[in-house]
Amino acid sequence: DIQMTQSPSSLSASVGDRVTITCRASQGISNYVAWYQQKPGKAPKLLIYAASTLQSGVPFRFSGGGSGTDFTLTISSLQPDDVATYYCQKYNSAPQFTFGPGTKVDIK
Amino acid sequence: QLQLQESGPGAVKPSETLSLNCIVSGGPISSISYYWGWIRQPPGKGLEWIGDIKYRENTYYNPSLKSRVTISVDTSTNRFSLRLTSVTAADTAVYYCARRYFDGVLEPLPFDYWGQGTLVTVSS
Repeated sequence: DIQMTQSPSSLSASVGDRVTITCRASQGISNYVAWYQQKPGKAPKLLIYAASTLQSGVPFRFSGGGSGTDFTLTISSLQPDDVATYYCQKYNSAPQFTFGPGTKVDIK
Repeated sequence: QLQLQESGPGAVKPSETLSLNCIVSGGPISSISYYWGWIRQPPGKGLEWIGDIKYRENTYYNPSLKSRVTISVDTSTNRFSLRLTSVTAADTAVYYCARRYFDGVLEPLPFDYWGQGTLVTVSS
């Protein structure tokens, strides 16, 4: 089974800071990585798919990169509305659409 | 606009069967382009994919749950369902239904539409 890890598990940054979250797959998965944002009590929201494609309606301050085993989610200028937990997910093949353990982001 | 809505009991006793429905509005569940799936999240923990189904095609299950899970589609009511047997406290979670694109021709996409989630507690 391919495992997904994320780092850091949590971070605290100031408004306007550039924030980067890393996701690593235990085996190569091409670019089949998605990033989701989840706010407390809400369903996850798709932010990025195919490692770097921004989902419609998502602010441009969010960007994704990487391929193979190492991927990143970057928030170019952190906003109060970005306080949430962020998950990566591999979706290249069934029967495993594994999620990473999550990164909690809050404002310093 | 596509909408998904979970429904079902909020509590289930240990060793019994958890049954949930997801009603889809705004699009046909019989579409050849989409898989309809279930994902769960124990309180305070991360997300776990349970499985998904495409009408008249394959059903995929998480190997860790496969022996206890059944997902089915009902086109007459435009809904799909989850059955999880022999539940324990470890199955207490918010259960989400969601949709992902895969038509076997174009590149697959991840889960883009989600229901709001429903909490199911396993307790005697």
